[in-house]
Amino acid sequence: AQSVAQPEDQVNVAEGNPLTVKCTYSVSGNPYLFWYVQYPNRGLQFLLKYITGDNLVKGSYGFEAEFNKSQTSFHLKKPSALVSDSALYFCAVRDPRGATNKLIFGTGTLLAVQP
Amino acid sequence: EAQVTQNPRYLITVTGKKLTVTCSQNMNHEYMSWYRQDPGLGLRQIYYSMNVEVTDKGDVPEGYKVSRKEKRNFPLILESPSPNQTSLYFCASSNYPGNGRPGELFFGEGSRLTVL
Repeated sequence: AQSVAQPEDQVNVAEGNPLTVKCTYSVSGNPYLFWYVQYPNRGLQFLLKYITGDNLVKGSYGFEAEFNKSQTSFHLKKPSALVSDSALYFCAVRDPRGATNKLIFGTGTLLAVQP
Repeated sequence: EAQVTQNPRYLITVTGKKLTVTCSQNMNHEYMSWYRQDPGLGLRQIYYSMNVEVTDKGDVPEGYKVSRKEKRNFPLILESPSPNQTSLYFCASSNYPGNGRPGELFFGEGSRLTVL
């Protein structure tokens, strides 16, 4: 069965420091991987996705993620955190063999960036 | 502006009183889906629709109904709400993933439902 794990409920980082939000997945075959961000009282916004190709994927707002097949990971990164990056981040996986666009989401990681 | 619109955004109701949460998208997307978000559980799919008149169950369909009579609308119906359906609900839509490459999911702003 497909699954996604976000091992940290919360990540704290100081503004200007690099940030990493971790995600590992379990799926047969080559996965399609996504990161979404949720700001308070808002819906989820797409950040980036990995389908195939270069393992380093660049997305919105200066975020990037690295696909590591051997470690089954897709960690979200940003070189320099901003206070405005504080939000709830979700990793998601889609089974490429599936006929639907169903995403399996992790439980979310709350990113808190301190000034 | 491309968007997914849900209504109502907030609702408090009582057990057993039927309610409908509407969802409408203006992107001509074939695929639409409902998720619920609960603390510690992330988002779980309730129902989805591949196109008009084509719907199917997701992972947590019990207590919910949907319909897809028009391409743009995908209402979520709670015939007899119960307190365990208190949750934050999201509607999402995307292009039809027929070529194997998933279209990006666009989400609505969410509907927070409380069932007393």
